[in-house]
Amino acid sequence: DQQVKQNSPSLSVQEGRISILNCDYTNSMFDYFLWYKKYPAEGPTFLISISSIKDKNEDGRFTVFLNKSAKHLSLHIVPSQPGDSAVYFCAASARGSQGNLIFGKGTKLSVKP
Amino acid sequence: DAMVIQNPRYQVTQFGKPVTLSCSQTLNHNVMYWYQQKSSQAPKLLFHYYDKDFNNEADTPDNFQSRRPNTSFCFLDIRSPGLGDAAMYLCAIASGGRIETQYFGPGTRLLVL
Repeated sequence: DQQVKQNSPSLSVQEGRISILNCDYTNSMFDYFLWYKKYPAEGPTFLISISSIKDKNEDGRFTVFLNKSAKHLSLHIVPSQPGDSAVYFCAASARGSQGNLIFGKGTKLSVKP
Repeated sequence: DAMVIQNPRYQVTQFGKPVTLSCSQTLNHNVMYWYQQKSSQAPKLLFHYYDKDFNNEADTPDNFQSRRPNTSFCFLDIRSPGLGDAAMYLCAIASGGRIETQYFGPGTRLLVL
């Protein structure tokens, strides 16, 4: 039973437009959420995170929104660039765990020039 | 400079032949994790060390073992690899706080013949 779900396996966006990647979770004990970016043949790279006490966190072109009542978070990339093309993983950590992360299956983002 | 180093990047082994994957870190972080990631799947935590304290996930097969001889190094031993163990194996580190970002190595791609 997947606790973190990324229902869109892929997303294609034009350069300069907004990319919106979505993630849903089921475990109400999750209180910290992260997004990782992964290029082929490389390990995941940390991108941005958000604590459950916030509903938004912004870092440059990247913004993560958290809707606790809907158990939903999203990553917005504005403007999208071709170098953003990668697989994006959503991950969550629960209260009581030792920071152990539960990952979604990822969404492959393609940004077309 | 790389914080998490994994060797080798690609490993080929034979069905049933023991194999060891290695991970080293340059930051002296307390926590080291091993994940298994199969194609188009989420990274799945196998186990982690908090200092010398070993923590096995409940559903990690007995075929998988780990050693951490010192802070810098951690090994993943697969005693009798099966075809189903072919995957990317990711090592990650974290400094050990409750709210934590994990930093990943590039991974080792294991092929079982």
